[in-house]
Amino acid sequence: AQSVTQLDSQVPVFEEAPVELRCNYSSSVSVYLFWYVQYPNQGLQLLLKYLSGSTLVKSINGFEAEFNKSQTSFHLRKPSVHISDTAEYFCAVTLSNDYKLSFGAGTTVTVRA
Amino acid sequence: KAGVTQTPRYLIKTRGQQVTLSCSPISGHRSVSWYQQTPGQGLQFLFEYFSETQRNKGNFPGRFSGRQFSNSRSEMNVSTLELGDSALYLCASSQRTGKLNSPLHFGNGTRLTVT
Repeated sequence: AQSVTQLDSQVPVFEEAPVELRCNYSSSVSVYLFWYVQYPNQGLQLLLKYLSGSTLVKSINGFEAEFNKSQTSFHLRKPSVHISDTAEYFCAVTLSNDYKLSFGAGTTVTVRA
Repeated sequence: KAGVTQTPRYLIKTRGQQVTLSCSPISGHRSVSWYQQTPGQGLQFLFEYFSETQRNKGNFPGRFSGRQFSNSRSEMNVSTLELGDSALYLCASSQRTGKLNSPLHFGNGTRLTVT
């Protein structure tokens, strides 16, 4: 079975500073990887996904994540954060053709002015 | 398009009661999944329905059940409620095209409190 570890539970960061959220997964077979964001009192929104192809994937709001098969990682980065990026971020994994997502415990990002 | 709609948003029940939560997927989406979110256990998969059939099930007791109707709307039911069932229940819909390149779209959830 696949599992996900998010190495940081809380990440405080100043506005306009860079941020990196770490995610490692374990699986013996090929997986699909996702980052979701959850704002207070809301559901989850898909931020990024890696299915195949280029190992660097980017979102429209400046986030990017890189799939590293040898290190079984899918870290999320943003070079300059905004106050509005304050949220909880979840890394998730699934086997191909499987709609069951396994989520990490989440990382709470708090952006301060 | 309207997003995934979950009703009610908040619910308070007493131990031993049962509860039914509702989820209306995005129009055209035939797959509906349910997840439980708690501070202690995080996000856990409950089950997935596609074309009125349960396709996948998580590790939850039989008190948790669900169904899907012909219009793809889904309900989940929890019987004999326990304090530990207090959680945010999230529903997600997808087109389920065969390859997982159609993402899951989540609703805002139903917050269940068991007293």
